[in-house]
Amino acid sequence: GAVVSQHPSWVICKSGTSVKIECRSLDFQATTMFWYRQFPKQSLMLMATSNEGSKATYEQGVEKDKFLINHASLTLSTLTVTSAHPEDSSFYICSAFWREQFFGPGTRLTVL
Amino acid sequence: AQSVTQLGSHVSVSEGALVLLRCNYSSSVPPYLFWYVQYPNQGLQLLLKYTSAATLVKGINGFEAEFKKSETSFHLTKPSAHMSDAAEYFCAVSLGSGNTGKLIFGQGTTLQVKP
Repeated sequence: GAVVSQHPSWVICKSGTSVKIECRSLDFQATTMFWYRQFPKQSLMLMATSNEGSKATYEQGVEKDKFLINHASLTLSTLTVTSAHPEDSSFYICSAFWREQFFGPGTRLTVL
Repeated sequence: AQSVTQLGSHVSVSEGALVLLRCNYSSSVPPYLFWYVQYPNQGLQLLLKYTSAATLVKGINGFEAEFKKSETSFHLTKPSAHMSDAAEYFCAVSLGSGNTGKLIFGQGTTLQVKP
């Protein structure tokens, strides 16, 4: 089956720093990648849709200047949380889509 | 707008008992529906999906779900619960027409399995 990886699997950073999370489709080229955020004991909330070579589309309420998404190739999308604060601590999950969606294992971000 | 609602944030069953997790959807177009399972600190694993073919969908690990248009439901069932089924379960609908990859998730249901 199709595999999607995320790196890092967990990260701890200080408040005010930026953190980059990578999402890679390992054995297929994804036309679209999606980024979700999941707070503890809650559901997944769609943050943005990312297409290779074009600007990401953000969901209502998601700050595009805070959550920078770059989709450099058909196999790689990155999410950068800029000037992270404790309230950004969450589980970030990506999915890569080609005919159907395949989810990455998630990245646990903790901001101190 | 499309949405899904999971009834019951927490379901507890005894090992060997029937598992029933409820999901109702709202959609102005024929929906594509999914059930995912999530174990602690892990990503999502697809259990099954409805893509407008057969209304009774069989998935992995003995799970199945029935699409009922008249009831706008897509409930997940398993005849006999195992301890390993204890996890968080999410129902989801694909936004737009067909499977667009863009999913809206329900609130989730925690399944507890008692020995």
